[in-house]
Amino acid sequence: QKEVEQNSGPLSVPEGAIASLNCTYSDRGSQSFFWYRQYSGKSPELIMSIYSNGDKEDGRFTAQLNKASQYVSLLIRDSQPSDSATYLCAVRGGGSNYKLTFGKGTLLTVNP
Amino acid sequence: GAGVSQSPSNKVTEKGKDVELRCDPISGHTALYWYRQSLGQGLEFLIYFQGNSAPDKSGLPSDRFSAERTGGSVSTLTIQRTQQEDSAVYLCASALTGGETQYFGPGTRLLVL
Repeated sequence: QKEVEQNSGPLSVPEGAIASLNCTYSDRGSQSFFWYRQYSGKSPELIMSIYSNGDKEDGRFTAQLNKASQYVSLLIRDSQPSDSATYLCAVRGGGSNYKLTFGKGTLLTVNP
Repeated sequence: GAGVSQSPSNKVTEKGKDVELRCDPISGHTALYWYRQSLGQGLEFLIYFQGNSAPDKSGLPSDRFSAERTGGSVSTLTIQRTQQEDSAVYLCASALTGGETQYFGPGTRLLVL
């Protein structure tokens, strides 16, 4: 069974710090990787996608992918209280398998 | 433009009853997905529709669950003879096509008493 693992947290960081969220996956054939943010009681919202090894930066967010280690991470720089949410890692398999496999999410709390 | 919409937003039903959950995808999106999120659990894939192709039903947990997509747009997820373990948030997502970014609706919170 294809699995996506995340630390459940909670991860607590002070405002202005860097928050580091990690995710590992079991399916070596996985092609696409996503980070979704989910506020309590709301639906998931895509914040980053990454498809090739290395880093991808978008504003305060950086996604890092290492396919050899089957590892993907999300860094949030200058963390804000509004970043407090659950962050879901999602992985899509290769070929025409378009469904996403999600981790259980990491709860991030940014303290003012 | 309008996002993915789902109805009802909340549904309370008695064990053994049937329920229907509706999803309106973003206009022009050919791919539609249903997921389930139980308390403390991640999102669990249920079913995937792509255009006129046969749906991928590999995530449906039992034969009490079924879904259809009429006219390549609106989708209905039906749960027959509901059980308490069916209580969850049912999320629908759509994408321009398979493999593209999935956009989620607000979900339907189902509570089976």
